[in-house]
Amino acid sequence: QVQLVESGGGLVRPGGSLRLSCEASGFTFSDYYMSWIRQTPGKGLEWIAYISGSGYTIHYADSVKGRFTISRDNAKNSVYLQITNLRVEDTAVYYCARDHLRYNWSGWFDPWGQGTLVTVSS
Amino acid sequence: DIQMTQSPSSLSASIGDRVTITCRASQAISTHLNWYQQKPGKAPQLLISATSSLQDGVPSRFSGSGSGTDFTLTISSLQPEDFATYYCQQTYSTPPTFGGGTKVEIK
Repeated sequence: QVQLVESGGGLVRPGGSLRLSCEASGFTFSDYYMSWIRQTPGKGLEWIAYISGSGYTIHYADSVKGRFTISRDNAKNSVYLQITNLRVEDTAVYYCARDHLRYNWSGWFDPWGQGTLVTVSS
Repeated sequence: DIQMTQSPSSLSASIGDRVTITCRASQAISTHLNWYQQKPGKAPQLLISATSSLQDGVPSRFSGSGSGTDFTLTISSLQPEDFATYYCQQTYSTPPTFGGGTKVEIK
């Protein structure tokens, strides 16, 4: 079955860096756009970035441009999120999600991974 | 960015009740509106896409309607497994944005 498994979260000091990973299985990974979405009690659900199946098309939310980098390795069925200069307000559960449509970007996220918690604190 | 506002933020209901959740967009989004269900400790799951299209496996007691700026999610007869938080999301423009959620609790 279709499955997404995130890893890489943890406790990080402000100003630190982190690389989140998401490994996919159960579908042709390179056919789908992938996104990262985060969730906090205060700001709710926030889409962060997407990357096309080929990796050539990337789009970020304005709030994370310059600090977050999305990438993928289709040979490893994995998508990544590199976060630098972490801030307290980046504390959240980070989800990877597959686009619902094959080949195209729809913004419908289905399915989602189980999430990985990133805590930024001194 | 398009702002999505849900109401109420929470509600209490009994098994068998009809429940309606509303979602309003800050500008017209045609029917580019999705609904997700999230249970505690779990990731959101896509429930309804394009305003009214139920995803595979979603019970027919769920329905969605609306267009433009105003949308509703209706559960015709609330079941125990429906107690969860529901989010609307617009995909009319990038970035896709979510409502703040409606928590459906047991009365």
